[in-house]
Amino acid sequence: DILMTQSPLSLSVTLGQPASISCRSNQSLVYSDGNTYLNWFQQRPGQSPRRLIYQVSDRDSGVPDRFSGSGSGTDFTLRISRVEVEDVAIYFCMQGTRWPFTFGPGTTVDIK
Amino acid sequence: VQLVESGGALVQPGGSLRLSCEASGLIVSETYMSWVRQAPGKGLEWISVIYGGGNTYYAASVRGRFDVSRDNTKNTLYLQMKSLRVEDTAVYYCARGGWSTIDHWGQGTPVTVSS
Repeated sequence: DILMTQSPLSLSVTLGQPASISCRSNQSLVYSDGNTYLNWFQQRPGQSPRRLIYQVSDRDSGVPDRFSGSGSGTDFTLRISRVEVEDVAIYFCMQGTRWPFTFGPGTTVDIK
Repeated sequence: VQLVESGGALVQPGGSLRLSCEASGLIVSETYMSWVRQAPGKGLEWISVIYGGGNTYYAASVRGRFDVSRDNTKNTLYLQMKSLRVEDTAVYYCARGGWSTIDHWGQGTPVTVSS
């Protein structure tokens, strides 16, 4: 199975300041079709996960543009340009390149 | 798209349980559908997927004990769980997706395995 790791596991951010979460895989996530199936999800307290980003950097409809994804191969990043109160959540990366699809352990973002 | 899970309960180790996921806004037989679970205070684990054509795949942790199926007439996905273990305790989510991504999640149904 592909192992996904995230850092940091916890992040306290001042409102309006940027935040960055790293996600790494122990194998390349480039699929045979040339695409990289790396996703980011947000899980607010008491809620189901919600997809924010797919294929590394494509933002879902309705997701604020302060969220952005980048990276390639085995190294990926989710950035929040200016953290807002509603961004308090756990953020998970997930690889969809090889079965079984696997998630990172999650990064908890709260307000300092 | 709406996915509504039901069937979660408290069950003893070794017992069985069937979860249901009623879908609206999509046709379960025409897309990838998955079950993902989240143990208390833990991360997410993708445990099974059923493709539109009917192929199924399972994580090693549940293979041979869990069975995913669907009823096309009811547009409903099921997860039959048997030989349940304490470590199967989790919130079980139904989700649309199973090839490269998940784009819709249900609200989840809790399963507790305890004596």
